[in-house]
Amino acid sequence: EPEVTQTPSHQVTQMGQEVILRCVPISNHLYFYWYRQILGQKVEFLVSFYNNEISEKSEIFDDQFSVERPDGSNFTLKIRSTKLEDSAMYFCASSRTGVGEAFFGQGTRLTVV
Amino acid sequence: KNQVEQSPQSLIILEGKNCTLQCNYTVSPFSNLRWYKQDTGRGPVSLTIMTFSENTKSNGRYTATLDADTKQSSLHITASQLSDSASYICVVTSYSGGGADGLTFGKGTHLIIQP
Repeated sequence: EPEVTQTPSHQVTQMGQEVILRCVPISNHLYFYWYRQILGQKVEFLVSFYNNEISEKSEIFDDQFSVERPDGSNFTLKIRSTKLEDSAMYFCASSRTGVGEAFFGQGTRLTVV
Repeated sequence: KNQVEQSPQSLIILEGKNCTLQCNYTVSPFSNLRWYKQDTGRGPVSLTIMTFSENTKSNGRYTATLDADTKQSSLHITASQLSDSASYICVVTSYSGGGADGLTFGKGTHLIIQP
């Protein structure tokens, strides 16, 4: 069964360092999303991506964040200069249509020390 | 502002018992409502997705209901199993689809099944 895959599963980084979180969405999906979940809190929307550009972003998604679809399969989230408060689970999701079923990856646990 | 409220925040029941989780939403315009199961440290997994015209939908021991008039949904779990221990998240999609207004997440109900 097709699934969204994320790598790495866990990343530890020092404050101020850049990190890139990687996602491989389901192959025939057109809409891609990044969400984060701080420990014990609800899932928060970061950004959506369609037709090779950002379609929506939240106030959390400031200038230190960027997304890219460098080839036909990968979808990446870059955090340029990590802060302690960026520590969270980051989930990638994809959807064939914008209102249909959204499938989530298993997440990347980012720990900023 | 679109909001999804879930209750209870947490629930402990004995294995084999039934339970019902609640979701109230103020999302407009409404497209669909989804229930997800999220195991600790894992990504959410879809259980059901319901559109405006659907009142009830089942997936095995999970039955979701939707009252679009009162903007309420429930998830009923029958004959609970230890593997049902997880967070159950109600997510409402607005008409515009993906994006900041596309998916509104509830905080989830943390369900613990005790043997």
